[in-house]
Amino acid sequence: AQSVTQPDIHITVSEGASLELRCNYSYGATPYLFWYVQSPGQGLQLLLKYFSGDTLVQGIKGFEAEFKRSQSSFNLRKPSVHWSDAAEYFCAVGGGGGADGLTFGKGTHLIIQP
Amino acid sequence: EAGVAQSPRYKIIEKRQSVAFWCNPISGHATLYWYQQILGQGPKLLIQFQNNGVVDDSQLPKDRFSAERLKGVDSTLKIQPAKLEDSAVYLCASSLTGGPYDTQYFGPGTRLTVL
Repeated sequence: AQSVTQPDIHITVSEGASLELRCNYSYGATPYLFWYVQSPGQGLQLLLKYFSGDTLVQGIKGFEAEFKRSQSSFNLRKPSVHWSDAAEYFCAVGGGGGADGLTFGKGTHLIIQP
Repeated sequence: EAGVAQSPRYKIIEKRQSVAFWCNPISGHATLYWYQQILGQGPKLLIQFQNNGVVDDSQLPKDRFSAERLKGVDSTLKIQPAKLEDSAVYLCASSLTGGPYDTQYFGPGTRLTVL
């Protein structure tokens, strides 16, 4: 069965500093990988996704992620965070078993220090 | 373009009562999903519809949960009877075609509290 691990429950970063959120997945075939952001009181919003091609994927709001098959990882990065980036971030894997529902990690809560 | 609509936004009930949630997906989206998000966890898929047919309901607790999408548009998720552990946010999502790479668009969710 597919699974996603986000090892960091909370991360605190100073405004303007760089960010990396970790994601490891377990999947039998080539995975479909996603990063979503959830702000308080709002629905999940897709930041970026990957299936094939260039392993460095660009997303919205200045985020990018790199797929590393050898490490089963899909880490999210941003060179300089803004206070508005404070939110919950979820990594997800999809496409298993003929159905298309996503399997999410437990999320990483990002705190931005002024 | 209007997003995924859900109602109510909040619901408080006593255990053993019943409750229903409603979802209206983005117009033209064939695939609709219901997820359960317990506090401190990521969303968990409950059921996936393709038009008005069920594609996957393997994680739906069928002894108490039911869902329907009769006309292939909006959907209702029901819990009867509710248990304390059903306290969660129930998220509805839709996608255009339902392929594994198709973007799922999420609604704001319904926060259920079972007392």
